Amino acid sequence: EPEVTQTPSHQVTQMGQEVILRCVPISNHLYFYWYRQILGQKVEFLVSFYNNEISEKSEIFDDQFSVERPDGSNFTLKIRSTKLEDSAMYFCASGGQASSYEQYFGPGTRLTVT
Amino acid sequence: AQSVTQLGSHVSVSEGALVLLRCNYSSSVPPYLFWYVQYPNQGLQLLLKYTTGATLVKGINGFEAEFKKSETSFHLTKPSAHMSDAAEYFCAVSGFGNEKLTFGTGTRLTIIP
Repeated sequence: EPEVTQTPSHQVTQMGQEVILRCVPISNHLYFYWYRQILGQKVEFLVSFYNNEISEKSEIFDDQFSVERPDGSNFTLKIRSTKLEDSAMYFCASGGQASSYEQYFGPGTRLTVT
Repeated sequence: AQSVTQLGSHVSVSEGALVLLRCNYSSSVPPYLFWYVQYPNQGLQLLLKYTTGATLVKGINGFEAEFKKSETSFHLTKPSAHMSDAAEYFCAVSGFGNEKLTFGTGTRLTIIP
């Protein structure tokens, strides 16, 4: 069964460093998303991406964040200068047909900023 | 704008007993509603969804949920709990199709042997 994959599973970085979180969505899906979950809190939307551009972003998704779909398979989230409060589990999700409404989530990348 | 309220951050039921996890939503447009399950150290797995049509929807692992517009609710039920149901459950809402999901705070389900 097709699934969303994410790498790495765990990333430790120092404050101020840049990180890139990688995702491979389900092939033939058209809609891509990033969410994050701070430990003990709810899952929060960061950004959605469709037709090679951002379709919506949350207040969390400030200038320190960017997304790219550099080729036909990968979808990346970059944080330019990490802060302690960026420590969280980051989930990638993808969705297929416009009428299916379902989002399929990857296993997540745990980002720890020290 | 959409929001979700999940009553009860922790729910414990005995094995074989009824599972009832509560979810109320707020939406300015007809909602699309979802339940996701998260097992320890894993991602989110879709249990079931409501988009349009039949208000009682069935999902995987014997779970079902009923959309009640008058009560703005989408409660998740399972007639008989199994040990493997122990996990965190999230209710989510979106507006139009393929829009962002807005999640509730989650309910941790514990099954008592």
